[in-house]
Amino acid sequence: GAGVSQSPSNKVTEKGKDVELRCDPISGHTALYWYRQSLGQGLEFLIYFQGNSAPDKSGLPSDRFSAERTGGSVSTLTIQRTQQEDSAVYLCASSGASNTSGGTHEQYFGPGTRLTVT
Amino acid sequence: AQKITQTQPGMFVQEKEAVTLDCTYDTSDPSYGLFWYKQPSSGEMIFLIYQGSYDQQNATEGRYSLNFQKARKSANLVISASQLGDSAMYFCAMREGSGGTSYGKLTFGQGTILTVHP
Repeated sequence: GAGVSQSPSNKVTEKGKDVELRCDPISGHTALYWYRQSLGQGLEFLIYFQGNSAPDKSGLPSDRFSAERTGGSVSTLTIQRTQQEDSAVYLCASSGASNTSGGTHEQYFGPGTRLTVT
Repeated sequence: AQKITQTQPGMFVQEKEAVTLDCTYDTSDPSYGLFWYKQPSSGEMIFLIYQGSYDQQNATEGRYSLNFQKARKSANLVISASQLGDSAMYFCAMREGSGGTSYGKLTFGQGTILTVHP
């Protein structure tokens, strides 16, 4: 079946502009995660949605970052007034609700969006 | 303090030999899960293996096994019979505080670059 998809694959934006990154999780997965990967910081957790629960926003680095998940499926990560330090690969992952993966609920990652802020 | 520590920035192994990638972790939560992911140069994150904190036996998945030493808080990945395609970045990750569920954010180590020589 289809895996996690993300768009765009690459985004170049000017400092100060807003950007939106999209994630389509695996159909039926109730949990959706955003991470970012940068050279200096490695892989960092940003935000996590699980079903109808309030999202865990504990990893968002500033109030310029926000995310929403509509209809329990597609998610959009928005970065306002982008800064050069926001340049990174933004990874989305989803995990399932049943024991289809042997009860481990490993997270399946998308290909990422490479964001470059100039 | 680092929650996940991978002390080997780079490792080299000869094709067909076994290699161990080190991972130590730090948590006070009695319920946690440990994961290994592979990231080839293409950038995708590929789930390899999972170990739960209450699992009595070490996890194995094909050529991958996890040497889980709970008292030492280590979860080393062993790759047997290395192949050229195993050359990639390998990340150890932990999920904690999940309250017995299988959801929750992952905290990643800094990664180990494995190079397999022919």
